[in-house]
Amino acid sequence: EVQLVESGGGLVQPGRSLRLSCTASGFTFGDYAMSWFRQAPGKGLEWVGFIRSKAYGGTTEYAASVKGRFTISRDDSKSIAYLQMNSLKTEDTAVYYCTRGDPIAAAAPFDYWGQGTLVTVSS
Amino acid sequence: DIQLTQSPSFLSASVGDRVTITCRASQGISSYLAWYQQKPGKAPKLLIYAASTLQSGVPSRFSGSGSGTEFTLTISSLQPEDFATYYCQQLNSYSFTFGPGTKVDIK
Repeated sequence: EVQLVESGGGLVQPGRSLRLSCTASGFTFGDYAMSWFRQAPGKGLEWVGFIRSKAYGGTTEYAASVKGRFTISRDDSKSIAYLQMNSLKTEDTAVYYCTRGDPIAAAAPFDYWGQGTLVTVSS
Repeated sequence: DIQLTQSPSFLSASVGDRVTITCRASQGISSYLAWYQQKPGKAPKLLIYAASTLQSGVPSRFSGSGSGTEFTLTISSLQPEDFATYYCQQLNSYSFTFGPGTKVDIK
């Protein structure tokens, strides 16, 4: 059974950093691109960023709203994807979800989602 | 960036009703569109991708159609577990933008 479990969320002050983890099981992690999405309280869904599988170069893409502040990485030996968030702003407050899939390069939709982890940026 | 709009934004319906939700893209996206269902406090659930392909395990009462700039999600006979918010998402470019959502409520 495919499972994605996010962790690392919590309360953080503006300007500080936080690292989220997404631990995967039930599939060959290294074969899949991994994405992060977020949803601010009571709002819609927003794509954050994406890391391709090694087969597609392991490169990353980011939304304009987080580019230069957030970094996605992966450890295929541990089946974990990371979202490093620096210079956090109050508008980054959201539930963060990880998903697998690469709709553009691999024609693989975002078919499995984690349960989400809440990040609250507040002083 | 590609923008998506959805209509209606809110829909009140009864069990057994046929429900149709429309999603429009600001530019052509071929068939690169997905539909999700989200219930309060839960992650989105993929229903449809490539505009009309039913995700494995999703009931056949859900169907999708369209291409280019106009798409529809249809629920042929609304069930109690279908009351939720539905989002479309474009899969054509690396912004993967979502529509604002359609909340389906019980009449």
